[in-house]
Amino acid sequence: QVQLQESGPGLVKSSETLSLTCTVSGGSINSYYWHWIRQPPGKGLEWIGYIYYTGTTTYNPSLESRVSISMDTSKSQFSLNLNSVTAADTAVYYCARDPLFCNSLRCSHDYDIWGQGTMVTVSS
Amino acid sequence: EIVLTQSPGTLSLSPGERATLSCRASQRVDNTHLAWYQQKPGQPPRLLIYGASSRATGIPDRFSGGGSGTDFTLTISRLEPEDFAVYYCHQDADSLTFGGGTRVEIK
Repeated sequence: QVQLQESGPGLVKSSETLSLTCTVSGGSINSYYWHWIRQPPGKGLEWIGYIYYTGTTTYNPSLESRVSISMDTSKSQFSLNLNSVTAADTAVYYCARDPLFCNSLRCSHDYDIWGQGTMVTVSS
Repeated sequence: EIVLTQSPGTLSLSPGERATLSCRASQRVDNTHLAWYQQKPGQPPRLLIYGASSRATGIPDRFSGGGSGTDFTLTISRLEPEDFAVYYCHQDADSLTFGGGTRVEIK
């Protein structure tokens, strides 16, 4: 079955760039949307952005100036870069698959498969 | 951006009881664009309901979603021990946002 695995540094210094990669295994990266979502310790979920397999991206407006998501289809990977990080960016970062759920009229972005998450701490 | 407000913050119930969770949107959300997720400690969220009322694959029928406009509900008809968790609503009608969550705890 399809599995997602996040990887990257668990500790990032304040003002530097947080970089994470999500590797997709057991299935194709094509024809799906791929998202990054984060969760600060003890808090709720925040959507960061997504990339479509064609390379089209959409970001959370509150993070748009600092975030970029890219994809390497040959490696079945997509990546997150978040620059100028502060302590507020400390969180568990999840990658997730979005098959686009459609009825006869409309479609919605929801997440059917998630990675286990990776904790990233921003240190001063 | 649409803000989702979930209530109550915590629901204390016993196994076998019925749980009703509320999600209120700051503006109208088409039913297509409202979903519910369950999260247990140390685990990623799991999709329960999409399109306001459609159960995701493998989700038991004791979970049901309803509502329209700005008011949506998730109902668990009879709580099983594995249902005690945090539940989030989610919308993608205007950007993508989550509610703050409702914790369902054992009374």
